[in-house]
Amino acid sequence: NAGVMQNPRHLVRRRGQEARLRCSPMKGHSHVYWYRQLPEEGLKFMVYLQKENIIDESGMPKERFSAEFPKEGPSILRIQQVVRGDSAAYFCASSRGETNSPLHFGNGTRLTVT
Amino acid sequence: AQSVTQPDIHITVSEGASLELRCNYSYGATPYLFWYVQSPGQGLQLLLKYFSGDTLVQGIKGFEAEFKRSQSSFNLRKPSVHWSDAAEYFCAVGLSGTYKYIFGTGTRLKVLA
Repeated sequence: NAGVMQNPRHLVRRRGQEARLRCSPMKGHSHVYWYRQLPEEGLKFMVYLQKENIIDESGMPKERFSAEFPKEGPSILRIQQVVRGDSAAYFCASSRGETNSPLHFGNGTRLTVT
Repeated sequence: AQSVTQPDIHITVSEGASLELRCNYSYGATPYLFWYVQSPGQGLQLLLKYFSGDTLVQGIKGFEAEFKRSQSSFNLRKPSVHWSDAAEYFCAVGLSGTYKYIFGTGTRLKVLA
């Protein structure tokens, strides 16, 4: 399966712990987007990355959240010192880099903070 | 500013009835247009896309959409809805020459047996 792979599918963390979400883009894609979705709400853009570069992180909280997309390996969205309000579904999408190319989404990671 | 509007938050139709989901966009240049479907607990799946050419595009699962430049619309249609079509539908615009996509807030479809 050459689709976008996200893991874990479900992640439970206690308040104050760290959450690490991983995303392997579709084969041949080098552009990754992270979105957050709350129940009954749409997708909220968080960050856009190319290999080894963060291009746009305007949708990501400045504190506790970080993202990377190393030369080798998956993209990582990291949330430090999680709080209850971080509970949401986090989706990764990848593309070839032109907006006439559709985004391809993973199945998401559902983070629950207890 | 660029935006995508899906005016209907919830829509309920009977199985076998026709369906139209509305999408309006605001963008000064030629948009790249997409419809996605999201089933519960899943990611977004691409239904169809429009870049240029024929303004009526066919997608998967029997869906089609029509681009109307004069109305800045890209409405999704299906002639006969199946119970398995119950899901959330998102319209999106890709901004040409950029890396940006803008998503609508979604329309949740309920199908009555």
